[in-house]
Amino acid sequence: DTGVSQNPRHKITKRGQNVTFRCDPISEHNRLYWYRQTLGQGPEFLTYFQNEAQLEKSRLLSDRFSAERPKGSFSTLEIQRTEQGDSAMYLCATSTDRGRVGNTIYFGEGSWLTVV
Amino acid sequence: SQQGEEDPQALSIQEGENATMNCSYKTSINNLQWYRQNSGRGLVHLILIRSNEREKHSGRLRVTLDTSKKSSSLLITASRAADTASYFCATDLTGANSKLTFGKGITLSVRP
Repeated sequence: DTGVSQNPRHKITKRGQNVTFRCDPISEHNRLYWYRQTLGQGPEFLTYFQNEAQLEKSRLLSDRFSAERPKGSFSTLEIQRTEQGDSAMYLCATSTDRGRVGNTIYFGEGSWLTVV
Repeated sequence: SQQGEEDPQALSIQEGENATMNCSYKTSINNLQWYRQNSGRGLVHLILIRSNEREKHSGRLRVTLDTSKKSSSLLITASRAADTASYFCATDLTGANSKLTFGKGITLSVRP
């Protein structure tokens, strides 16, 4: 257990429905990342928060995706009007920003999404 | 786009043998991190090596970094069946908000 908590761990939804995933970071980690991983691939970056500010979004993050981190603590990732191609594991990761040349980034267990 | 490329894609060894996995990348990095992932689970951080470091050890793990060749290697000594997993190298690119860019991973199978 890395201390990064993700819920729910598994979600099966019908195409067209909305889903929301939550990530609770390690306490005092001000950087938070969302990644997506499909079978046989490495994780792909989706978006990044520094405290409550969303500082970067990947082109993978279509208009149907929205992420928030309202108080700089937990974060949510919402997918609207889900499509079968959204089926993947959604990973949250967090870190501090103390290191000059980077810090260890800790991942949660992921949230599996299956769109049927 | 994938920055890191791991080699080999799959590796099968006998318990007790050493496993060496390689990673190459394309652009300047702040650091490189290795992760392990068991099937269906999240990523477990193994080791971080900074751009000004050449070698680091952690238990049975040894990581090297050659910035002139833009490559890194992960050595697991005296492998165990429990080391069976996918291994990923991830690069923290210079000026990239410290986000990590991953390769496709290496599948390691350790036979008892």
